[in-house]
Amino acid sequence: QKEVEQNSGPLSVPEGAIASLNCTYSDRGSQSFFWYRQYSGKSPELIMFIYSNGDKEDGRFTAQLNKASQYVSLLIRDSQPSDSATYLCAVNPPTSNTGKLIFGQGTTLQVKP
Amino acid sequence: NAGVTQTPKFRILKIGQSMTLQCAQDMNHNYMYWYRQDPGMGLKLIYYSVGAGITDKGEVPNGYNVSRSTTEDFPLRLELAAPSQTSVYFCASSFLRDTKETQYFGPGTRLLVL
Repeated sequence: QKEVEQNSGPLSVPEGAIASLNCTYSDRGSQSFFWYRQYSGKSPELIMFIYSNGDKEDGRFTAQLNKASQYVSLLIRDSQPSDSATYLCAVNPPTSNTGKLIFGQGTTLQVKP
Repeated sequence: NAGVTQTPKFRILKIGQSMTLQCAQDMNHNYMYWYRQDPGMGLKLIYYSVGAGITDKGEVPNGYNVSRSTTEDFPLRLELAAPSQTSVYFCASSFLRDTKETQYFGPGTRLLVL
């Protein structure tokens, strides 16, 4: 079982719709969870992080964390073509005090005009 | 601030050659990381450093070496390049105060080994 799993996609949504990106992790003691966006040929950039159960909202983005189910998701409301990118889920494992992150393989999102 | 810088942007190596990928940051971050990203995959940690003079292995360290003589610089050395090392290499840094601290990534170095 992979430590951090994402559906590679592509996930295709029409412009204006809600895109839902999902991530599961294997280590129950994981502490912090990050969503990065990566445009083709570019480096990852942080969108959001979450460390408490529940929802965290930032503009059109909402991160959801359910530690009991070992599940973290990212919702993008009013999706725009500029949101088309690969979204990487990253997890800070419980034994790490060095900031090490374990990344999923990423989900490719396509927002169609 | 320039943030995290990497050189070169692109390099072609022949099998068996060696090279050093340069990484520098001007944010006074104590933690630095090297990742590789294969096509369609996430990032795999190669090596990391928690401060000058201190380095440790990540998930995929074989075939690589690092050093950290200053806070700013964290070069990655490839010895005896192999086709399996064809990848995009990202350097990242963070000022780790707790586990919520994010990593800032450089623009990447694309390496092709033929």
